[in-house]
Amino acid sequence: EAGVAQSPRYKIIEKRQSVAFWCNPISGHATLYWYQQILGQGPKLLIQFQNNGVVDDSQLPKDRFSAERLKGVDSTLKIQPAKLEDSAVYLCASSLGLPPYNEQFFGPGTRLTVL
Amino acid sequence: TQLLEQSPQFLSIQEGENLTVYCNSSSVFSSLQWYRQEPGEGPVLLVTVVTGGEVKKLKRLTFQFGDARKDSSLHITAAQPGDTGLYLCAGATTDSWGKLQFGAGTQVVVTP
Repeated sequence: EAGVAQSPRYKIIEKRQSVAFWCNPISGHATLYWYQQILGQGPKLLIQFQNNGVVDDSQLPKDRFSAERLKGVDSTLKIQPAKLEDSAVYLCASSLGLPPYNEQFFGPGTRLTVL
Repeated sequence: TQLLEQSPQFLSIQEGENLTVYCNSSSVFSSLQWYRQEPGEGPVLLVTVVTGGEVKKLKRLTFQFGDARKDSSLHITAAQPGDTGLYLCAGATTDSWGKLQFGAGTQVVVTP
């Protein structure tokens, strides 16, 4: 079965510019997650969708970050405007959402560099 | 703030040696997962443990969940270069809707 797809794989922008990332989860997975992974740290959850509704966005910096999941499938994460500290790998993951064996399948990530 | 503390942060060993990495927290988790992440890739699930005191073995990897469900360990026997990677533990609480809290990871390097 196809895995989680993300694009682009790499992005370099200057501070104050905007950027968007795209994620296509595994077919049939109701739950979709966006994580931020800063170098030397573990992934930090930004937002969790259940179908097309938001379950948790408590750690999403809403003044500059936004995310949507139209039709409960693909998702986009946007940063506007970007700051230097947003340089990180942005990981998308999906799962069937069946705790406790809630295996999350991760995409390869988008490495963002903000100059 | 990382609720899960992993140690050591970095581990470099020779092929054939054994290693253990630890994951500790003051919180109780309903389940705990171990992932391995290689450069340029997303984390890949190795195991899920849900019962206090549970021990799971996957070939040369042994995972243990603490009796109080606050800590876990991963032991690798006779490490191979293919075991090189970032090992992440992640815990879920009962009210978290499947949300995982990740530790910072242990970078393991196995040299031939």
